[in-house]
Amino acid sequence: KQEVTQIPAALSVPEGENLVLNCSFTDSAIYNLQWFRQDPGKGLTSLLLIQSSQREQTSGRLNASLDKSSGRSTLYIAASQPGDSATYLCAVPMEYGNKLVFGAGTILRVKS
Amino acid sequence: ETGVTQSPTHLIKTRGQQVTLRCSSQSGHNTVSWYQQALGQGPQFIFQYYREEENGRGNFPPRFSGLQFPNYSSELNVNALELDDSALYLCASSLAGSGGLDTQYFGPGTRLTVL
Repeated sequence: KQEVTQIPAALSVPEGENLVLNCSFTDSAIYNLQWFRQDPGKGLTSLLLIQSSQREQTSGRLNASLDKSSGRSTLYIAASQPGDSATYLCAVPMEYGNKLVFGAGTILRVKS
Repeated sequence: ETGVTQSPTHLIKTRGQQVTLRCSSQSGHNTVSWYQQALGQGPQFIFQYYREEENGRGNFPPRFSGLQFPNYSSELNVNALELDDSALYLCASSLAGSGGLDTQYFGPGTRLTVL
């Protein structure tokens, strides 16, 4: 059974810092891994999707890496801004067909 | 291109009642998945519909049921509501068969409160 863990559970940083969020999964036979952002009480916004054949994906100040063999992914946020404050979730498919297993998320607060 | 929409936004019910939540998938998408997100937790997979057929189910009792219509919109029905059903219910659409590039697009969710 696939399990996803995210560390840390919460993070508070001053504006401008670079930061890393961690995600680990127990079954390395994944097709892809997706990072999402969730604002309080809102739906999920997809940030990055990394295919199993890829090692990283970049979008603006965000960079996500994937190491299937060790069951880990990291989300790197450069030059953090107060607008980055949100919960960040990672998810992997249970099986082909994109039925996702989510971690509990990392709550990020960027202080101005 | 329209995004995923859900209705209603908020809903308050009492224990034992029944509820129907609705989701319109993103244009061109043929797969809809439903998730339950309790406060402070990640979303939990309820079930998925692909071309009007159930295509996988998570660890939820039969009182959670669904439908997908020919236009790929979907409903989630919950019977005999319990207090623990209080959660944010998220709908996600994707295009199955897109070679693994099937990013899921989530709606804004329906906040259900059971009293």
